[in-house]
Amino acid sequence: SQQGEEDPQALSIQEGENATMNCSYKTSINNLQWYRQNSGRGLVHLILIRSNEREKHSGRLRVTLDTSKKSSSLLITASRAADTASYFCATDKGGGSNYKLTFGKGTLLTVNP
Amino acid sequence: GAVVSQHPSRVICKSGTSVKIECRSLDFQATTMFWYRQFPKQSLMLMATSNEGSKATYEQGVEKDKFLINHASLTLSTLTVTSAHPEDSSFYICSGRNGPGGYTFGSGTRLTVV
Repeated sequence: SQQGEEDPQALSIQEGENATMNCSYKTSINNLQWYRQNSGRGLVHLILIRSNEREKHSGRLRVTLDTSKKSSSLLITASRAADTASYFCATDKGGGSNYKLTFGKGTLLTVNP
Repeated sequence: GAVVSQHPSRVICKSGTSVKIECRSLDFQATTMFWYRQFPKQSLMLMATSNEGSKATYEQGVEKDKFLINHASLTLSTLTVTSAHPEDSSFYICSGRNGPGGYTFGSGTRLTVV
């Protein structure tokens, strides 16, 4: 079953604007990760935030995690046309031999030049 | 960084035939490999988890006799789609676990069954 639910499902913005995507999940996690996928391609790991962290930055990316609300957000600042892709959150909740990533439904981001 | 090489990137096969997809971890030992499938405009659905040297664990609803997974070495895992049918057409992606929180994904295989 899907662990994460992203919203919005689709987001269209102009170049230079910020894009915010949200993710909710249902069970306790070890960490939450965000991935990017260009159409028909593999996944690119963007950022990982651990369950004991609240905020993390990487370049133009800012991720927050609220474990009490079981939610996370990904902010892309000063967006570029090249940021157009699908973005997925994935939760890592296993331990021992039960590690696995469970993906949300994704947000399709379109950045218009 | 860690790399997983997945082949082929695209394959077209006739209905009823079998197709094998390979994933190799190039610079790390993947004790655990995950196989996902993705339908157009949808998310990745975990099909199975394979640990080197043991039988794969399949997610509910995934036919183990149809999707054969072999993880005979720490650097190679294969997924064989047996007796493929058009409804098996999908994007298949593998991922190797390389430490706490570390998952490296292959580039995916687009399978089209005609």
